[in-house]
Amino acid sequence: QVQLVQSGAEVRKPGSSVTVSCKASGGTFSNYAINWVRQATGQGLEWMGSIIPNFGPANYAQNFQGRVTITADESTSAAYMELTSLRSEDTAVYYCARRQQRKDMYSSAWYDSFDIWGQGTMVTVSS
Amino acid sequence: DIQMTQSPSSLSASVGDRVTITCRASQSISKSLNWYLQKPGRAPKLLIYAASSLQSGVPSRFSGSGSGTDFTLTISSLQPEDFATYYCQQSFSTTVTFGPGTKVDIK
Repeated sequence: QVQLVQSGAEVRKPGSSVTVSCKASGGTFSNYAINWVRQATGQGLEWMGSIIPNFGPANYAQNFQGRVTITADESTSAAYMELTSLRSEDTAVYYCARRQQRKDMYSSAWYDSFDIWGQGTMVTVSS
Repeated sequence: DIQMTQSPSSLSASVGDRVTITCRASQSISKSLNWYLQKPGRAPKLLIYAASSLQSGVPSRFSGSGSGTDFTLTISSLQPEDFATYYCQQSFSTTVTFGPGTKVDIK
């Protein structure tokens, strides 16, 4: 069973950047989109963007356009999320998650969900 | 972006209770609705996908229904390990959005 293992906690100063990694253990990313979701303390889940390794450019949420870069390397089964121009409001736990696509047997429609999640990486932005 | 709302925002229940959580989308999303459970300090866990399909390994006391804009998650008999926060998520649009969550705690 594939597991997603993320890099450890980070502390950054406002204005700096952070990169969080997400590596597949026990399998590969092949043909799966990797998504990034963040959660500020006590808050809900916020989708940041996604990428399909070796398939094309990443797709980003409007709120993060220009500040986030998501990359992936299928050869190493790793994905990366870089967030720049950090501010205190970026203090949060950052998760990677695999998108699973399943076809409905009756309608032939495809449905997406995030079936495997990394353990989360705490990023603290503080002066 | 498609906005997701959930009700209630929190509820108190006892072990063995039947619990229902609702989720509403700001526009029709067909059956592109997923439910997750999250415990403090842990990553979310997928319970239901495509509105009503049970994720492998999830107990059958969890069920989902709905299509279009209105959806429901039901726990038929609440167990101690079910006290957590539940989120709905729409995957209809490229920009995925989550509901604000429903916290289920012990009465």
